[in-house]
Amino acid sequence: EVQLVESGGGLVQPGGSLRLSCAASGFTFSSYWMHWVRQPPGKGLVWVSRINTDGSTTTDADSVRGRFTISRDNAKNTLYLQMSSLRAEDAAVYFCVRGGETIYGEFDYWGQGTLVTVSS
Amino acid sequence: DVVMTQSPLSLPVTLGQPASISCRSSQSLVLGDGNTYLNWFQQRPGQSPRRLIYKVSNRDSGVPDRFSGSGSGTDFTLKISRVEAEDVGVYYCMQGRHYPYTFGQGTKLEIK
Repeated sequence: EVQLVESGGGLVQPGGSLRLSCAASGFTFSSYWMHWVRQPPGKGLVWVSRINTDGSTTTDADSVRGRFTISRDNAKNTLYLQMSSLRAEDAAVYFCVRGGETIYGEFDYWGQGTLVTVSS
Repeated sequence: DVVMTQSPLSLPVTLGQPASISCRSSQSLVLGDGNTYLNWFQQRPGQSPRRLIYKVSNRDSGVPDRFSGSGSGTDFTLKISRVEAEDVGVYYCMQGRHYPYTFGQGTKLEIK
């Protein structure tokens, strides 16, 4: 059974940093592109960042470029999102999402999400 | 960015009646190999999104056959043949063809 379990969310002050983790199991992690998608409270879904199978290629949404860094450790079956210079508008539930074996967004499995709150 | 426009945004439906959600993309989602990366997701209250339909019309494992997807190019539709109480939630279309991937605004389905 495919499982994606996020952790690392919490309350952080504006300008602060946070690292999210996503532990993957039930599939060959190193064979899949992975993504982060966020959902601000009461709002819709927004794609944040993607990483290819070996971690050599990453792409971020304009809204987080230069502040967020996606990475992965295939030996640990874990996806990360390092967030810095956090703003109020970054407050959201962050979902770890499995992509496909190609660059195209298939998004077949989602984690339960981890809540990030940005407030002083 | 590719804009995904859903309608309606609110969908009150009587139990047992059909429902339909439209999704229009601002650019074609068709790849050269013929694949079209258009997904539909269901998000029940308090839950993570769940993919229902991929590549326009392919139902995911475990998804009831009352859900169906159709369309081509830039116009897509999700249909529920007979709405059940468990179908309450928000439905999103999403394109996975162009960077950045984008979602529709969401359609909130409720029972009348």
